[in-house]
Amino acid sequence: DGGITQSPKYLFRKEGQNVTLSCEQNLNHDAMYWYRQDPGQGLRLIYYSQIVNDFQKGDIAEGYSVSREKKESFPLTVTSAQKNPTAFYLCASSVDRGRPYGYTFGSGTRLTVV
Amino acid sequence: DQQVKQNSPSLSVQEGRISILNCDYTNSMFDYFLWYKKYPAEGPTFLISISSIKDKNEDGRFTVFLNKSAKHLSLHIVPSQPGDSAVYFCAARNAGTYKYIFGTGTRLKVLA
Repeated sequence: DGGITQSPKYLFRKEGQNVTLSCEQNLNHDAMYWYRQDPGQGLRLIYYSQIVNDFQKGDIAEGYSVSREKKESFPLTVTSAQKNPTAFYLCASSVDRGRPYGYTFGSGTRLTVV
Repeated sequence: DQQVKQNSPSLSVQEGRISILNCDYTNSMFDYFLWYKKYPAEGPTFLISISSIKDKNEDGRFTVFLNKSAKHLSLHIVPSQPGDSAVYFCAARNAGTYKYIFGTGTRLKVLA
């Protein structure tokens, strides 16, 4: 079955450490996205990528970095520069802009800074 | 500037009654709207969509209404069931793009 896999489901990070969240899709989707969900704030876009080797900042990119070396993969690194990283992170993908389809989401990673 | 707004953070409804979730938007260039349902610790799942050229789309117990003049979108669930208890997000797409803007969500609780 096609879908998006995020790992790990739960992640604990010490202050000052970088951590990388994995996102893999086998849907052959061109575009991939990272969102962050905080209580009462909905889904906020961190980074997105339309094609391999290209990505753009979203609304809250500070303290995060991404790469898109393969179509299937879009890992997100939460750096020590991110001041408040504890949140639920969602990865999504979509077909190209030609069709009005929505996103397919992964099941999320909950990151907690300890 | 929040282009997509869900002004009710929560809603409680009795089982069997109608649930109405509302969404307002400010950008008249939005051409496609979606509703997503999200359970705790899971990713959102697609529920129903509507194009800006329509004013209603129905799928089983779920109906989405679009009032373009008022820039208002609503999701009706009839009859509501306890399994419908979740957070519902509306999302809108700017014409010619593929990127959706999400509202802040409404938590629906259906009481048995």
